[in-house]
Parts: sequence; structure tokens; C-alpha cells
Amino acid sequence: GAVVSQHPSRVICKSGTSVKIECRSLDFQATTMFWYRQFPKQSLMLMATSNEGSKATYEQGVEKDKFLINHASLTLSTLTVTSAHPEDSSFYICSATYPGLAGRHTYEQYFGPGTRLTVT
Amino acid sequence: QQPVQSPQAVILREGEDAVINCSSSKALYSVHWYRQKHGEAPVFLMILLKGGEQKGHEKISASFNEKKQQSSLYLTASQLSYSGTYFCGTGYQGAQKLVFGQGTRLTINP
Repeated sequence: GAVVSQHPSRVICKSGTSVKIECRSLDFQATTMFWYRQFPKQSLMLMATSNEGSKATYEQGVEKDKFLINHASLTLSTLTVTSAHPEDSSFYICSATYPGLAGRHTYEQYFGPGTRLTVT
Repeated sequence: QQPVQSPQAVILREGEDAVINCSSSKALYSVHWYRQKHGEAPVFLMILLKGGEQKGHEKISASFNEKKQQSSLYLTASQLSYSGTYFCGTGYQGAQKLVFGQGTRLTINP
């Protein structure tokens, strides 16, 4: 159980265009989804927290108008990189929270396989 | 604030043991351990909660010292498949998000 899919796995786009990345929890309902960015050999940098039916909460320094997040249902969240530039090239990973142990707020996160974005 | 992991990298021969530490400057509610292989997403290993506990997963176990605000991951009789980068993610009371350490790169040689 606790499978998260992400699509596409790789995308190459031209500078100035927009790219949409989908994140789905396949066998559970995710109360919250997270979007991360990871540069080579570096840690996971949280970009935003996405709750179904409400606006995403962005981390400090992340441009909300550039990285649009929509959480349409308990199983789907999307990240749209608008007007992409070469510096946006990175590995983007989503995760979804699993309800966790009954009565305890553990919030285990299960990650999607990631999307490698290359902006030319 | 990002938790600190140590060591940053370790190289072992198959069958040897390793310990990876994760320390926080803030009071912890939970510690989550993940392993990531190159080009792939992190894979959940285990979670430890406030209250100080130990958990095991095959030959991988972990402890959580609430007083010291740190957790340790123990890998015994390492296998080639254990290679990868290990991340600890720290959770804090009232917050759903995790803050990840910088990672520990583990290399297992035959």
C-alpha cells in the first residue's frame, strides 16, 4: 500500500513555456501533499504544502506565482511551473501523507518517483 | 532549522555495520528515516515518535533519544542493496511538514 505516482517522469521544455506535473496517491486518500525540489547531491527542499480544497502554503523564498499548486481532490495535486527558465531545471518530487497510526499524528510521507525537468 | 546528519558519507564492505546520526536543535516530535537511490525518490524506512523508542526493519533499526533530540539509524551486516543516501526527516509538534537533513551517502562494496 501507500503508492504515489507522478507524471511525467521526465520533461524537456523551452524557456518561457509552462509545465504541469501531476501527483496522485493510488491506494489511499492523502490529507496533505507536499512538493519538494532536489538539486544533485543535495537534500530535499520543501517548496509547498498542499491541502485538498484550500490554498497551498509556500515556504519562504518560493514564488507562489511561478509555482502554481492545485489540490483538486484527496488523490490528486498538480504543480505548474510557469514561464520556466533554465534555473528551474531540477528534480521535483511530491509526497503524500498517510493517516498514520490511529490516534497519533505521525504523518508518514510517501514519495512519488519524481519528475526531472530540463528547461532549454 | 535543518537537522544535522553525521557522518556525511561512509564506505563499508558488505557485512559490516554502520550508524547514522541525526540531531536537531529543536524539540522533536518524530523522526522519519528514508533511503534514496540515485535518480529515484526516497523510500520510507521507519518512523520514531516522541517518547523514546526503538524500531527495527529487517537488519535496519533505529532509536530516538528525546532528551538529546537525536536519532540514530543502525544498519547491521550491510548488504549491497543498502547503498544509497539516507535522509532523516524531523517532525515537530503541531506541524505536518518534515525538515530533512543533508543526507548521508552510504556505499557498500563487495
